[in-house]
Amino acid sequence: NAGVTQTPKFQVLKTGQSMTLQCAQDMNHNSMYWYRQDPGMGLRLIYYSASEGTTDKGEVPNGYNVSRLNKREFSLRLESAAPSQTSVYFCASSGGDRVYNEQFFGPGTRLTVL
Amino acid sequence: QKEVEQDPGPLSVPEGAIVSLNCTYSNSAFQYFMWYRQYSRKGPELLMYTYSSGNKEDGRFTAQVDKSSKYISLFIRDSQPSDSATYLCASPGTSYDKVIFGPGTSLSVIP
Repeated sequence: NAGVTQTPKFQVLKTGQSMTLQCAQDMNHNSMYWYRQDPGMGLRLIYYSASEGTTDKGEVPNGYNVSRLNKREFSLRLESAAPSQTSVYFCASSGGDRVYNEQFFGPGTRLTVL
Repeated sequence: QKEVEQDPGPLSVPEGAIVSLNCTYSNSAFQYFMWYRQYSRKGPELLMYTYSSGNKEDGRFTAQVDKSSKYISLFIRDSQPSDSATYLCASPGTSYDKVIFGPGTSLSVIP
C-alpha cells in the first residue's frame, strides 16, 4: 500500500498563476484533509472532506478551493497564487474508526510563490 | 488564544538524556490527546495517543495528561539521535471530525 500520495513534490509559481495539488489515498478512508505548515504556525487546516461528496472549510480557507473527486482523491486548487501562500502543503486521510481521529499524512508539497 | 500551545524550541540534548516535551490546551472538555513525530521533510506520523488523565507508556516514550492543569507531556528516556524530529501535540477537540495541532517542538539529540 502506498498510503497517502501527493503530487507534485515541489512547485514554483509566479504571483497570479494557478495550480492544483493532487492527493490520493489507498486505505479506503472516508475523511481527507488539506493542511499548510509554516514555521512557528504549525499545521493549519485549509479544507477537509468528511466523506465523498462533502467538503468544509477549515481555519485558513481563503484563496483555496477543493474537490473531493471520489473516495480516493482530494485536490486543492490555488486560483491566483500569492506570496503568502508559500508553504508546505500536506494532505491527510482518516478512517474514522479511531475516536481520536488518527491522521495519515502524505509526504508534502513544497510550494514557493514568487 | 490557540487551543493547543507548545514551546517551539529548538531543544538540543545529548544522547542518553531524558527529554520532556510539553503542551497546554485551553478547553477542559478535550478528552483525547496525541503526539505526532515529524522527521525533516516528511509528513507527521502518530507516535502515541492517550485518553483523559494519567500515563501511557510505549517503550522509551511516556505520554502524560494532567487534566487539572490542562497540561500534556511526552517523556523520552535514553534519547537517541534517531529521535531528532519535530514533535506535535494534538487533540481531536470536541468535534472529532478534525484534529487541532500544536505548532510543534523541534528536538535535536546530539551523539
